[in-house]
Amino acid sequence: QMHLQQWGAGLLKPSETLSLTCVLNGGSFSGYYWSWIRQPPGKGLEWIGEISHTGNTNYNPSLKSRVTISLDTSKDQFSLRLSSVTAADTALYYCARGLYASNINWFYPWGQGTLVTVSS
Amino acid sequence: SSELTQDPAVSVALGQTVRITCQGDSLRGYYASWYQQKPGQAPVLVIYGENNRPSGIPDRFSGSSSGNTASLTITGSQAEDEADYYCHSRDSSGNGVFGTGTKVTVL
Repeated sequence: QMHLQQWGAGLLKPSETLSLTCVLNGGSFSGYYWSWIRQPPGKGLEWIGEISHTGNTNYNPSLKSRVTISLDTSKDQFSLRLSSVTAADTALYYCARGLYASNINWFYPWGQGTLVTVSS
Repeated sequence: SSELTQDPAVSVALGQTVRITCQGDSLRGYYASWYQQKPGQAPVLVIYGENNRPSGIPDRFSGSSSGNTASLTITGSQAEDEADYYCHSRDSSGNGVFGTGTKVTVL
């Protein structure tokens, strides 16, 4: 059964760059969007952005200037980079496989989550 | 507006039915998908499309949509259904947007 496993640095200082990677186990990149979602402590979910299997990207307008999502199919992984982090970027970050077709969209499955804390 | 609004909290007696709603203009063009999140766990997809359940999701979960409102209904609520529930859709630019979330308490 396909699943996602993610990793990355969990503690950053303000102005540093967040970097997370998600590896796909048991599936294919084709036909899906590969997404990042975050959740600040005690708060709701926020869509960060996504990359298609062909490399097309969509980003949350509020984060677009700082976000880069990339895909490396040779390693079965995709990555998130968020530059110039502040305390407001402290959150649990999830990777997820997404389907975005016509008027239907969903995220399944999700990675286990990585807590990223920004503190001086 | 690309916002999706949900009631912050609802409660339901064990075995009864609860409906969770999600309102937003983007729902006129896209179906919502629904996610259940229990404490300390990643969200889990429970409903997508017109009314589809992934494998393993009990049939007491169902979805519907009308105009700018999507609904998730739990018929015969169980103790294990106590969780936070989030809707998700796309705005007119195709960007993802999550609802504000609803905490469901089973009494």
